Amino acid sequence: EAQVTQNPRYLITVTGKKLTVTCSQNMNHEYMSWYRQDPGLGLRQIYYSMNVEVTDKGDVPEGYKVSRKEKRNFPLILESPSPNQTSLYFCASSSWASEGYEQYFGPGTRLTVT
Amino acid sequence: DQQVKQNSPSLSVQEGRISILNCDYTNSMFDYFLWYKKYPAEGPTFLISISSIKDKNEDGRFTVFLNKSAKHLSLHIVPSQPGDSAVYFCAARTSNSGYALNFGKGTSLLVTP
Repeated sequence: EAQVTQNPRYLITVTGKKLTVTCSQNMNHEYMSWYRQDPGLGLRQIYYSMNVEVTDKGDVPEGYKVSRKEKRNFPLILESPSPNQTSLYFCASSSWASEGYEQYFGPGTRLTVT
Repeated sequence: DQQVKQNSPSLSVQEGRISILNCDYTNSMFDYFLWYKKYPAEGPTFLISISSIKDKNEDGRFTVFLNKSAKHLSLHIVPSQPGDSAVYFCAARTSNSGYALNFGKGTSLLVTP
């Protein structure tokens, strides 16, 4: 089954404790992206990757890091999480072969930073 | 700067009736538009799209209309079903932006029995 998976689905952590949210896709998509969803703000892009070893900032990259060492994986790293990073996070992937470059989303990771 | 706007945060419709979700955009370079549907505790899923060379695209109960001169698109759901209750996101992209999508803030649709 074609899918984007994220782990963990739920995470409660404390300020300053480094964490990583994993994302993996099995569709051989070259493009991957991270979004955060906040009430009243919709979906905002954090980082994206056009292919292996190619990453770039989205609209709200502060406080986040990413890496793309393999085509299927695109982890999101919070080196020193803060309460304003409490949010719902989505990973997505896409391919130039998809008409309109539709993005396929993971199930989301609910992060709470206390 | 929000380039894709969904001005109605919520909409309530009776089962069997038509649901109309609206979306406005400001960037005249947008040439492809998509609608995503999101249930609670799930990621958004692609629903339907339309290219700027068309003014209408239909898929079953879902139809998207594009009015380029007004920079407006709408999603029609006919007939509406309780299972359609979800948040609907409008998104747009330009040919030059590649994969990047600009999302609206979403409209929460509630279909009541």
